[in-house]
Amino acid sequence: KQEVTQIPAALSVPEGENLVLNCSFTDSAIYNLQWFRQDPGKGLTSLLLIQSSQREQTSGRLNASLDKSSGRSTLYIAASQPGDSATYLCAVRRGTGGFKTIFGAGTRLFVKA
Amino acid sequence: GAGVSQSPSNKVTEKGKDVELRCDPISGHTALYWYRQSLGQGLEFLIYFQGNSAPDKSGLPSDRFSAERTGGSVSTLTIQRTQQEDSAVYLCASSLVARAGTDTQYFGPGTRLTVL
Repeated sequence: KQEVTQIPAALSVPEGENLVLNCSFTDSAIYNLQWFRQDPGKGLTSLLLIQSSQREQTSGRLNASLDKSSGRSTLYIAASQPGDSATYLCAVRRGTGGFKTIFGAGTRLFVKA
Repeated sequence: GAGVSQSPSNKVTEKGKDVELRCDPISGHTALYWYRQSLGQGLEFLIYFQGNSAPDKSGLPSDRFSAERTGGSVSTLTIQRTQQEDSAVYLCASSLVARAGTDTQYFGPGTRLTVL
C-alpha cells in the first residue's frame, strides 16, 4: 500500500530564505509525482509534475527533484516571499493497478515579511 | 479557457438526506477525479473517470457514494443517506489525459459539505 509522508508538517521562515520541503513514498512503482500548493479555503494549484523517468523539474524559483529508488522527492523554493505562504502537497500516482493518486498530508509554510 | 468549476460551493444538509455535487471539468479534458478533504486530513482519492473506460471506484468509502459522468464531460457525485462523518470539502480535478504520464491535474474550488 502506497503511503506518502511529508516533512516538516509546518515551517516558518523569514523572507528571502531558501528552503526545502520533503516528500517520501513507500512504493517506488509510481507513474508520476506532482507538487501542489493550497491556499486557505481554496482548491489546489499545480506547481510541478515529474514523470517517473525524470529526475527534476524547474519552474521559476521552484525546483522539484525525484529519486524513485529511495522513494524521495524534494521541493526547493529559492528566495522565499510572503506570497509563498500556503500548504504544499505532494501527490504520487501509482503505476500499476489503476491510476489512483495518493496525497501527503502537506507542509504548511509561513514566510514572514 | 475556463478552469474546473464545482457547484454548489457550500452545502448544508441534514443527516439521512441525499446530496448531489457537480463538477464541470476543463473543456477537452478526458480524465476527471473526485477527492475529499476532511478537516485536518489530507486529500483522499474517491473515484476517477477516463474517457469511456470503466471508472476506478477503489476510493469510494461505502456504497452510499456513487458518481457518474455523462457525455464524457460533467460529473455528479451522489452521497445517499448522508452521515456526519461525510462532512468535508469535496474536490474535483481534471486532466487532459490520464495515461500519458504527463497528466497535470487541475482542481476546482471544491464543495464544502456540512451534515448536521
